[in-house]
Amino acid sequence: SQELEQSPQSLIVQEGKNLTINCTSSKTLYGLYWYKQKYGEGLIFLMMLQKGGEEKSHEKITAKLDEKKQQSSLHITASQPSHAGIYLCGADINVGSQGNLIFGKGTKLSVKP
Amino acid sequence: DAGVIQSPRHEVTEMGQEVTLRCKPISGHDYLFWYRQTMMRGLELLIYFNNNVPIDDSGMPEDRFSAKMPNASFSTLKIQPSEPRDSAVYFCASSLSPVISNYGYTFGSGTRLTVV
Repeated sequence: SQELEQSPQSLIVQEGKNLTINCTSSKTLYGLYWYKQKYGEGLIFLMMLQKGGEEKSHEKITAKLDEKKQQSSLHITASQPSHAGIYLCGADINVGSQGNLIFGKGTKLSVKP
Repeated sequence: DAGVIQSPRHEVTEMGQEVTLRCKPISGHDYLFWYRQTMMRGLELLIYFNNNVPIDDSGMPEDRFSAKMPNASFSTLKIQPSEPRDSAVYFCASSLSPVISNYGYTFGSGTRLTVV
């Protein structure tokens, strides 16, 4: 069963618009990772969140972790064509994390110029 | 650092043939992971190593799949015999520590395997 659900599955936005991608876990989160993937390429690490309420930003991308809701959100401000790609969330779901990092199926983002 | 290096980038093989995928992790990283990505199932963890020792191989689909890490700088994933349903992109990733690292897991560019 899928333990990490991402929504939406795909998203098309106009350049300059803001957007939010969500990642919800069916289990307690012990670490939440956001990655970006372009077609045919590997995953690029964006940021990692460990504590409830934690928020991190990198350029125009902000991620938050809501531990109680077992959910994380990724927000992009003033989207650009360079933001296009597949965004994946990954999570440690074991206490002390033995490296069992699972991933959602991803959100495909297209940005129209 | 050149990052995690995987070879080959693309592999096309006939059903029944043996396939070997290779990975060189980032120097100094003590965790190495093998993932498989398909449209249907997304990204799945196959096996991971800590200090060259396999820790969890519960994600390996069948006995046809095997992975080794003979030293800290090299790992292989072998499929024998290969089947069309093995077609996927296989990623290798390495990390210093999954628990405390703020750098996440570093992924290679992947090997796109097609079994015909």
